Amino acid sequence: GAVVSQHPSRVICKSGTSVKIECRSLDFQATTMFWYRQFPKQSLMLMATSNEGSKATYEQGVEKDKFLINHASLTLSTLTVTSAHPEDSSFYICSARGPRALSTEAFFGQGTRLTVV
Amino acid sequence: AQKVTQAQTEISVVEKEDVTLDCVYETRDTTYYLFWYKQPPSGELVFLIRRNSFDEQNEISGRYSWNFQKSTSSFNFTITASQVVDSAVYFCALSGAGSYQLTFGKGTKLSVIP
Repeated sequence: GAVVSQHPSRVICKSGTSVKIECRSLDFQATTMFWYRQFPKQSLMLMATSNEGSKATYEQGVEKDKFLINHASLTLSTLTVTSAHPEDSSFYICSARGPRALSTEAFFGQGTRLTVV
Repeated sequence: AQKVTQAQTEISVVEKEDVTLDCVYETRDTTYYLFWYKQPPSGELVFLIRRNSFDEQNEISGRYSWNFQKSTSSFNFTITASQVVDSAVYFCALSGAGSYQLTFGKGTKLSVIP
C-alpha cells in the first residue's frame, strides 16, 4: 500500500493563534489530497480538495480564508487553521489519491487532534 | 448527491458473538466504490475493504465478511466470533468513479464486551 503521514498528531494552541498541519505522501506522488474534519462522535466531513499547483476547492460552508490549504509539491499539502477558536477544536485528517497501481484508493494519514484553548 | 446511511449508532455484543453492521447508500453514479473503515480510539482510519459497483461477489477475509446487494443498495459488514479488539467505530463510505472524495456514513460504534 501507499503511506500518508500527517503531522502533528496532536496540537494544543491558544485562541487567536494559527496552526499548520502537514500531510505527506511518503512513497508516492499525490497530485490530489483531501482534508476532512471530524467533530467528536460524528462522521468525517470533507472540507476541501487540494490540487498540486492550483487553488484548493472548498466544500460549501468551509471558510477558505480561515482554513488555508497549500499544495506546493507532489508530496506535501498543508492545512493552516488561522486565528483558531475553541469551536475549531476537532480531528483533522487528510487523504491522498494512491499511486498509479492503487489509483482507485485514497490513503489516509493518521489524523491531527486539534484543541484550541 | 451521494448519501451513506448507517442506521445503527451503537452496538454492544458479548465476545464471540457475531455482529452485522448495516450500510445503505444512495448514488446516481453507475460506477462507484464502497468502502469500510475501522476507527479505533486513537483516531486513525484503518482500511478494511473496497468494492466496486460491478463486483457483487461477497467477500470473506478471516472473521470479516461483506455482503453487497446492489438491488437494495446495501453493503453490510459482518464480524464473526467478535473479539474485544474489534471494539471501534466503523464507517461505511462511498465514492464515485474517478473521484477520490469519500462520502462517509455517520459510523457505528461497536463495543465488544468480554
